[in-house]
Amino acid sequence: GNSVTQMEGPVTLSEEAFLTINCTYTATGYPSLFWYVQYPGEGLQLLLKATKADDKGSNKGFEATYRKETTSFHLEKGSVQVSDSAVYFCALISGGGADGLTFGKGTHLIIQP
Amino acid sequence: EAGVAQSPRYKIIEKRQSVAFWCNPISGHATLYWYQQILGQGPKLLIQFQNNGVVDDSQLPKDRFSAERLKGVDSTLKIQPAKLEDSAVYLCASSIRGGPSEKLFFGSGTQLSVL
Repeated sequence: GNSVTQMEGPVTLSEEAFLTINCTYTATGYPSLFWYVQYPGEGLQLLLKATKADDKGSNKGFEATYRKETTSFHLEKGSVQVSDSAVYFCALISGGGADGLTFGKGTHLIIQP
Repeated sequence: EAGVAQSPRYKIIEKRQSVAFWCNPISGHATLYWYQQILGQGPKLLIQFQNNGVVDDSQLPKDRFSAERLKGVDSTLKIQPAKLEDSAVYLCASSIRGGPSEKLFFGSGTQLSVL
């Protein structure tokens, strides 16, 4: 079956630090990969996605590259801000999408001024 | 554009009681999902509707959980009777067609505490 493994948190960084949140997956076929973010008090929202190998998704300064050879989709940002504090979820969907999204456990990111 | 609406925001019940959650998806979205998010875990799909038909309910505990989506718009999720392990946030999401690379729009969720 499908599964997503992401680094456990909380991850605490200082403002302007470089961020990496690791995500690896197992899936049948060729999944689409996603990062969703949940800001305090808000619902989950899509941050970025990639639908095929070597695609790079990007949004709000965040990037992630679909690496089929390492089955990874690591999230990176060059300079984090306090407003990036949130819980980040790596997720995938495979096949025709009938099984819905499979999520990782989430990584709580805390950015200190 | 209005987002996905869920109610209630919080619910506290005792075990063996019943509870119902309501979801109104974004207008025009054909696909509706219910997810269960237990504290410290990622959301887990319970059921997926395409219009008013069920696409996938393989992870729905059917002995106690039920869901319906009348007229292909609003949806309700019911638990009867509730167990302690049902304490979680119940998330509703919708998407335009349910395609594999489509963006899901999530509601704020209903936080259920079973005592």
